[in-house]
Amino acid sequence: GAGVSQTPSNKVTEKGKYVELRCDPISGHTALYWYRQSLGQGPEFLIYFQGTGAADDSGLPNDRFFAVRPEGSVSTLKIQRTERGDSAVYLCASSFHRGGINEQFFGPGTRLTVL
Amino acid sequence: GESVGLHLPTLSVQEGDNSIINCAYSNSASDYFIWYKQESGKGPQFIIDIRSNMDKRQGQRVTVLLNKTVKHLSLQIAATQPGDSAVYFCAENSGNEKLTFGTGTRLTIIP
Repeated sequence: GAGVSQTPSNKVTEKGKYVELRCDPISGHTALYWYRQSLGQGPEFLIYFQGTGAADDSGLPNDRFFAVRPEGSVSTLKIQRTERGDSAVYLCASSFHRGGINEQFFGPGTRLTVL
Repeated sequence: GESVGLHLPTLSVQEGDNSIINCAYSNSASDYFIWYKQESGKGPQFIIDIRSNMDKRQGQRVTVLLNKTVKHLSLQIAATQPGDSAVYFCAENSGNEKLTFGTGTRLTIIP
């Protein structure tokens, strides 16, 4: 079956621009997560959705970052006034909670480069 | 703050040999641990997990060991193959839905 998909796979933008990154989770998965992975590092948590609501956004670095999931499926991560330090791979994951187990399935990521 | 770390950033193993990747964690409240494999240009792929009420779990060619006394996790891969070359991450979940990842170990299988 289809896994988590993310678009675009690569995004190059200029400092100060606005970008949107899209995530299509596995069908039926109620939870959706965004992580950011810098070169040579492990993924770092940004935000977690349960259904349509952001259950935990404690990982968002500042108010330039925002994410939505209006219909409880597709999610969009939005970054305003991009900075060079925002360059990273943005990973999306989804899961279907059962008995407390939280196996997260990751997408291939969007590589964001801010020039 | 709480963190998950790895002892070795790189590991080279002869094809066919067994490999062991280690991980130390610091959050004693974590109750669920996962090993992920990440190949170049791809997202992390689930390998195996273990709950804190267990000390060993086996999968196909992989075994995870958990030592809660010293807060240590290891991943053993038996009879390594070229396809096992990747970066391996341990991650912990302390019940708040978000995973905390270590920095990763790059495993290289030598033909």
